[in-house]
Amino acid sequence: GQQLNQSPQSMFIQEGEDVSMNCTSSSIFNTWLWYKQDPGEGPVLLIALYKAGELTSNGRLTAQFGITRKDSFLNISASIPSDVGIYFCAGQLSSGGSNYKLTFGKGTLLTVNP
Amino acid sequence: DVKVTQSSRYLVKRTGEKVFLECVQDMDHENMFWYRQDPGLGLRLIYFSYDVKMKEKGDIPEGYSVSREKKERFSLILESASTNQTSMYLCASSRGLFGQPQHFGDGTRLSIL
Repeated sequence: GQQLNQSPQSMFIQEGEDVSMNCTSSSIFNTWLWYKQDPGEGPVLLIALYKAGELTSNGRLTAQFGITRKDSFLNISASIPSDVGIYFCAGQLSSGGSNYKLTFGKGTLLTVNP
Repeated sequence: DVKVTQSSRYLVKRTGEKVFLECVQDMDHENMFWYRQDPGLGLRLIYFSYDVKMKEKGDIPEGYSVSREKKERFSLILESASTNQTSMYLCASSRGLFGQPQHFGDGTRLSIL
């Protein structure tokens, strides 16, 4: 089946620093999604990407859909303490049949030191 | 904004009990999903429903069943709860099946004693 490798597994940074994380797939995806999950809460959608090469921003967050369609990147600029949480990527093949299923990365745990 | 509401944030049940987890969405979404989330294993799909009374097994359906009698409500049922079903359960919904993001509820942390 499809596999998603998300890295890094965890990051510990100082407030104000920029952050970068990425996901790499063994298969091509047509949709990439980025979620954030706070402790004890459900994942919240941050950014959705639908086209290879697409670069989309949401405030201080920027995500890119890789040209090869096998990877995606999430950057956070000027981190603040409330950025703390687990960031997940998810990909979808979107070509019919059982390909509706999302494949999730294992998450990147971000800690921001004030 | 999409609102997916799970009936309980925390639940403690005993082995062998029949357990119901309820989920309601307010955006008239066609599709609803149940996942469980475990450390080191990530999110795994249990069941999904693409219409009222329609359902499909996900990757780990054993020990679970689902019910969708109304479009906005999707229930997950643990027929006879076991300790290995202790987990965080997440409900999600989406408008379309392809190329549409799934929106999640806040989760139910279920403990089976």
